[in-house]
Amino acid sequence: DAGVTQSPTHLIKTRGQQVTLRCSPKSGHDTVSWYQQALGQGPQFIFQYYEEEERQRGNFPDRFSGHQFPNYSSELNVNALLLGDSALYLCASSLTAGTSETQYFGPGTRLLVL
Amino acid sequence: KQEVTQIPAALSVPEGENLVLNCSFTDSAIYNLQWFRQDPGKGLTSLLLIQSSQREQTSGRLNASLDKSSGRSTLYIAASQPGDSATYLCAVDNTDKLIFGTGTRLQVFP
Repeated sequence: DAGVTQSPTHLIKTRGQQVTLRCSPKSGHDTVSWYQQALGQGPQFIFQYYEEEERQRGNFPDRFSGHQFPNYSSELNVNALLLGDSALYLCASSLTAGTSETQYFGPGTRLLVL
Repeated sequence: KQEVTQIPAALSVPEGENLVLNCSFTDSAIYNLQWFRQDPGKGLTSLLLIQSSQREQTSGRLNASLDKSSGRSTLYIAASQPGDSATYLCAVDNTDKLIFGTGTRLQVFP
């Protein structure tokens, strides 16, 4: 049973560029959440996708957008990258949204913006 | 606004000691509380989840308690080992999104 997978593992971009990160949820899970973890901090909630729609969103600008596909996989897009976007981006999956089930996390994508 | 605090921020202990990590939260209206382990540069591994109606959960050498009314949770690690060295994060589930503390960085030396 594959767990949550994310790609790529590492990424280096320059300011102003755009980036797309990908996530495949744990088998049987239909809800995907994205978190940003800056160095030395706890993860911060970006948004959650369920049934191909953004279900709720944290305090992140519109430069952060996402998508969920019919197979429940998800993408996180960040436009106009800033130095402060450098972080570990974590994807978490869970059973049906709104049930407060355990969230399972992937290994993350480490993004460095130069 | 929910805020989660973890004390201490860092802890260094010799192997074999019993440990208590603390987590406090400001809004008691939570669905559950989850403890995670994070190794350097890696993702999060779920250790224990306590539903809001529960008082504690146990897994092996780990025991987590929850006192929702006082906004506190503790993670007890028995007979610590060098392999327990990692950052431990607690998170409260607030309307199906997790609010994390900044973690306790634990080092267990032989």
